[in-house]
Order: sequence, then structure tokens, then C-alpha cells
Amino acid sequence: KAGVTQTPRYLIKTRGQQVTLSCSPISGHRSVSWYQQTPGQGLQFLFEYFSETQRNKGNFPGRFSGRQFSNSRSEMNVSTLELGDSALYLCASSLDTASYGYTFGSGTRLTVV
Amino acid sequence: GENVEQHPSTLSVQEGDSAVIKCTYSDSASNYFPWYKQELGKGPQLIIDIRSNVGEKKDQRIAVTLNKTAKHFSLHITETQPEDSAVYFCAASRDTDKLIFGTGTRLQVFP
Repeated sequence: KAGVTQTPRYLIKTRGQQVTLSCSPISGHRSVSWYQQTPGQGLQFLFEYFSETQRNKGNFPGRFSGRQFSNSRSEMNVSTLELGDSALYLCASSLDTASYGYTFGSGTRLTVV
Repeated sequence: GENVEQHPSTLSVQEGDSAVIKCTYSDSASNYFPWYKQELGKGPQLIIDIRSNVGEKKDQRIAVTLNKTAKHFSLHITETQPEDSAVYFCAASRDTDKLIFGTGTRLQVFP
């Protein structure tokens, strides 16, 4: 079966711009979680969506937002980009809660210059 | 909030030796403890998990142990192979809450 697909794989943006990242979960998975991965901070939780509703939220500023569509595909948006937003953004899908097991995508590498 | 500490940050072993990675968690209500392996250029991959009602779980060369009293769990890899070289992450969560990850261990297996 197809895995978790994240697009695009790489992005270069300028400070102050905004960006939208996309995640297509495994068919039948209703939960999508987003993580930011950096060398200094490791894997930091952004938010989780389940059946189009945000179920959990991490400690990121309001510039980070997300949504989930009726087909479970999810997008995350970062507005007013800062240099510190440069990171690997990972999406993980699950049947329901994390205890069902996350399947991660390969991530989107965002570089802010 | 929940915190997961992971040690060591790097681990080098000879092929065939065993490797052990340890994690501690702060939230006593945590009940799910997975381990992920991340290879270069890829997302983390679930390799084994354990729930709070079990003390040990084994899958071929990989085993995980859980000590709820000490809030401590460990990953054991026996007969290591070069393809085991990767970054390993432990994590913890409870009920419908998010997964909190440890800071990762870079394992290098030398032939």
C-alpha cells in the first residue's frame, strides 16, 4: 500500500513569506500529526488532526497553522517566515491515536533565507 | 509537561556486539512507548513498541523493556549489523495525547 506522501520535498523561502506544506496519509488513516525536526530541538510536536478537527496542539506560535480535509489529507501553513523556521517538517498518519502506530512521511525540508 | 530523556546521544559498537539505549519519562500516566529508527533522508520508522501493561517485548534481534516504577524503558539490539546504523528515537504518550520524543541516539555499527 502507498505510504505517507509529503510535498514538496524541498523548499527555499525568504524571510517574511508564507509557505504551505501538504501531507497525504495512508488510505484509511484518519489522524495526521505534524512534527518539526531540527538538530538542536529534535522532534517537536506541532499539531494533530483527526476527522478534520484539531485534536492536539503543541507550543508553537500562531504563525503555524494546519487543517485537514474530508479525505484526511492535511496541510500546514507557516506565515511570516523566520530564519529559525528552517527545519525538516514531518507528517505522520495513524488509524486513530498515536498508540496505533505512526507512519511518517519523508518530510519537507524548508530552508528560510 | 511531559518530558522524555534519552541516553546516550551517540553509540559506537562493533558488528555482532549488543547495543542498549535508555529513556526515562516524566509523566506517570504515560502508557505507550514506541521506538523509531530514522535513516538518512527518511522519516522515522516504527520498529517496536510496548504498552504499560507489559514489562518486556521481543522481535527477533530487538527487545524493549519497561520499568513503570522507575519510569524507565530501554531498547536492546543484539548481534548488531552495519544496516542497524541510524538514529533511534524513543517516545511516550498517554491515551489520545501526542507522542513526545526523546532527543535521539546516533548508533554506528562498525564492520
